[in-house]
Amino acid sequence: EAGVTQFPSHSVIEKGQTVTLRCDPISGHDNLYWYRRVMGKEIKFLLHFVKESKQDESGMPNNRFLAERTGGTYSTLKVQPAELEDSGVYFCASSQGGLRDSPLHFGNGTRLTVT
Amino acid sequence: GQQLNQSPQSMFIQEGEDVSMNCTSSSIFNTWLWYKQDPGEGPVLLIALYKAGELTSNGRLTAQFGITRKDSFLNISASIPSDVGIYFCAGQLSPNAGKSTFGDGTTLTVKP
Repeated sequence: EAGVTQFPSHSVIEKGQTVTLRCDPISGHDNLYWYRRVMGKEIKFLLHFVKESKQDESGMPNNRFLAERTGGTYSTLKVQPAELEDSGVYFCASSQGGLRDSPLHFGNGTRLTVT
Repeated sequence: GQQLNQSPQSMFIQEGEDVSMNCTSSSIFNTWLWYKQDPGEGPVLLIALYKAGELTSNGRLTAQFGITRKDSFLNISASIPSDVGIYFCAGQLSPNAGKSTFGDGTTLTVKP
């Protein structure tokens, strides 16, 4: 089966610009998560979708970040306008959920650099 | 919010040596997870622990869920060059919840 795919793998933008990250979860996985790792620190939870609904968005830093999952398939994370502190690696992960042995499957991440 | 203290931050070891890293928390978790991240890839789950005191092995890897539920360790025996990467611990409050609190990671370098 295909794994979690993220696009683009790298993005370099200027402060004030807009960037949209995309995540395609494993087919059939209802749960989709966005995480971020900034400057070698911990991987931090951003939000969790169950199908198309936002289950938990307590980790979203501020209202410059907008996540969507229309139709419950792929998800996008838009940063507008981007700030320097938004630089980092954005990971998407998916899981079947509801089962103890349904681990998170991570994508390879999008490395975002804001200059 | 909850924070995990992971140590050491980095390790440089010789091939064949054993490795030990740990994670501590000021609050309780009900599930502990250990991940490995290879360069340019996402984290991959190595071991999941669901019960206080549980000791679980996966090949050369052994991990334990601390009895207080506030800590966990990961041991790697007889390291090999492909063990290189970043190891993350993560805690969850529920075994069915994907929302995890991660540590800062331990970067492992293995010299042949």
